[in-house]
Amino acid sequence: AQSVTQPDIHITVSEGASLELRCNYSYGATPYLFWYVQSPGQGLQLLLKYFSGDTLVQGIKGFEAEFKRSQSSFNLRKPSVHWSDAAEYFCAVGMIKAAGNKLTFGGGTRVLVKP
Amino acid sequence: ETGVTQTPRHLVMGMTNKKSLKCEQHLGHNAMYWYKQSAKKPLELMFVYNFKEQTENNSVPSRFSPECPNSSHLFLHLHTLQPEDSALYLCASSQGQAYNEQFFGPGTRLTVL
Repeated sequence: AQSVTQPDIHITVSEGASLELRCNYSYGATPYLFWYVQSPGQGLQLLLKYFSGDTLVQGIKGFEAEFKRSQSSFNLRKPSVHWSDAAEYFCAVGMIKAAGNKLTFGGGTRVLVKP
Repeated sequence: ETGVTQTPRHLVMGMTNKKSLKCEQHLGHNAMYWYKQSAKKPLELMFVYNFKEQTENNSVPSRFSPECPNSSHLFLHLHTLQPEDSALYLCASSQGQAYNEQFFGPGTRLTVL
């Protein structure tokens, strides 16, 4: 069975500093990988996804992620965070099924941004 | 309306009440999902529907009863809930293939007294 681990429950970063969120997955086949962001009281919004091709993926809001098969990782990065990036971030792996599309989510990383 | 909508946004109910959560997607997707998001727990998939057929029930207690009358609408019927069922219930939809992302609604914040 697939699983996703986000080792950091909380991260505090200063505004303007760089951010990296870690994600490790366990999956027996080629993974489909996603990063979502959730602002307080809201649903999840897709930041970016990887399913093939270039292992460095660009997303919305200035985020990027790099797929490293050898490390089973899909870490999310942003060079310079803004106060509006304070939110919870979820990594997910997608599994091919005969019907539907099953995502397994990590536990999330809450990002706090200091002025 | 665009995207995925959920009503109500907030719901308070007693353990003996019966209520329903509604989800509607305006994206032309064929798959819909219910998730439960509790504090300090990972997002839990509850049910998956594909072309109105239930394809996944993730060992959800029978006090939660889903209904999918068509590919655009999804309901979650609630009865005799427990306080530990208090959570944010999220609905999502997708085109079904694993590489297509799921689009989420804003959720219903449920409190069971």
